[in-house]
Amino acid sequence: AQSVTQLDSQVPVFEEAPVELRCNYSSSVSVYLFWYVQYPNQGLQLLLKYLSGSTLVKGINGFEAEFNKSQTSFHLRKPSVHISDTAEYFCAVSEPNSGYALNFGKGTSLLVTP
Amino acid sequence: EAQVTQNPRYLITVTGKKLTVTCSQNMNHEYMSWYRQDPGLGLRQIYYSMNVEVTDKGDVPEGYKVSRKEKRNFPLILESPSPNQTSLYFCASSPGTSGQRQYFGPGTRLTVL
Repeated sequence: AQSVTQLDSQVPVFEEAPVELRCNYSSSVSVYLFWYVQYPNQGLQLLLKYLSGSTLVKGINGFEAEFNKSQTSFHLRKPSVHISDTAEYFCAVSEPNSGYALNFGKGTSLLVTP
Repeated sequence: EAQVTQNPRYLITVTGKKLTVTCSQNMNHEYMSWYRQDPGLGLRQIYYSMNVEVTDKGDVPEGYKVSRKEKRNFPLILESPSPNQTSLYFCASSPGTSGQRQYFGPGTRLTVL
């Protein structure tokens, strides 16, 4: 079975600075990878996903992530963050042949300050 | 507008009083799921449904029931709630193919006293 580890529970960063949120997964088979964002008092929204093909995936709001099969990682990056990026970010994995279930990491709280 | 709706959004109840949280989607999705979110634990799946009349346990099903009599609805039932079920609950739906995004409802914050 697959599992997901988000290496940082909290990431404080100043506005306009770059940020990287780290995600590692373990699985014995190929996986689909997702990043979701949860703004305060809201449900989760999809930021981006990797299914196959190019390892650099671009998502909404200027975020991108790079799939690294050898490192089993899917780190999320943004070159310049805004106050409005303050949110909880979840990495998730699913296995193509195991149905549609998502296995979520425990989340990383991104706090952007002026 | 494509959406997943949940009701109620907030609920405070007492131990042992049966309750139902409704979930409805208007996207004709086959797959629906319930999660609970607790601090430091992320989202954990409670139950899921691959289609009408097809449901299965997720990672933390104890104390919960679900039903899928219609494609659009997937209610979560707590027959005898306990304080350890105090949590934030999310319903989600997805088309019936793997790799598709899940659409999440706004969440239901449940407090069991």
